[in-house]
Amino acid sequence: GQQVMQIPQYQHVQEGEDFTTYCNSSTTLSNIQWYKQRPGGHPVFLIQLVKSGEVKKQKRLTFQFGEAKKNSSLHITATQTTDVGTYFCAGAGGSEKLVFGKGTKLTVNP
Amino acid sequence: NAGVTQTPKFQVLKTGQSMTLQCAQDMNHEYMSWYRQDPGMGLRLIHYSVGAGITDQGEVPNGYNVSRSTTEDFPLRLLSAAPSQTSVYFCASSSWTVKGYTFGSGTRLTVV
Repeated sequence: GQQVMQIPQYQHVQEGEDFTTYCNSSTTLSNIQWYKQRPGGHPVFLIQLVKSGEVKKQKRLTFQFGEAKKNSSLHITATQTTDVGTYFCAGAGGSEKLVFGKGTKLTVNP
Repeated sequence: NAGVTQTPKFQVLKTGQSMTLQCAQDMNHEYMSWYRQDPGMGLRLIHYSVGAGITDQGEVPNGYNVSRSTTEDFPLRLLSAAPSQTSVYFCASSSWTVKGYTFGSGTRLTVV
């Protein structure tokens, strides 16, 4: 079945440093979504990418979808303590069913 | 709108007991799903439904049953609880016309 791999599993940065998490799917995706989960909270939808090569920005966050629609990345510029949490990618193979990566847990040292 | 409501928030069960985790959404979403979250394992799909009367299995369905008699409700039943089912359970819903899933706040289940 469809698998979504996400790296790294953990990332610790100093406040102000950049952060990137990468996502790879075993199959071509119809879309990829990104979620953020704060400690003790539930996943919250950030963005959906649909088009090959798509790049979207939300303030300090930049999301990319690969040309082959099998990989994606999330880049945070100049991290802040409010960015702490676990970031998940989730791939859809053509239906509403989403397969989640294992997530990247980001900690930020002030 | 309340969004996705899960009850209870916490539950402790003894091995062999059964229980139902409740999930309700008031957004008229067609799609609903149940995930379990374990440390280092991400979110794994248990069961999902694309509409009332329709359910299907996800990655880890064993030991769980679901039904979808209405658009709003999608309960998850544990038939005979086992310690391996200790986890945090999330219900989520979405619509063909709305991007992204809306998650409930989760149920933390411990089976002793």
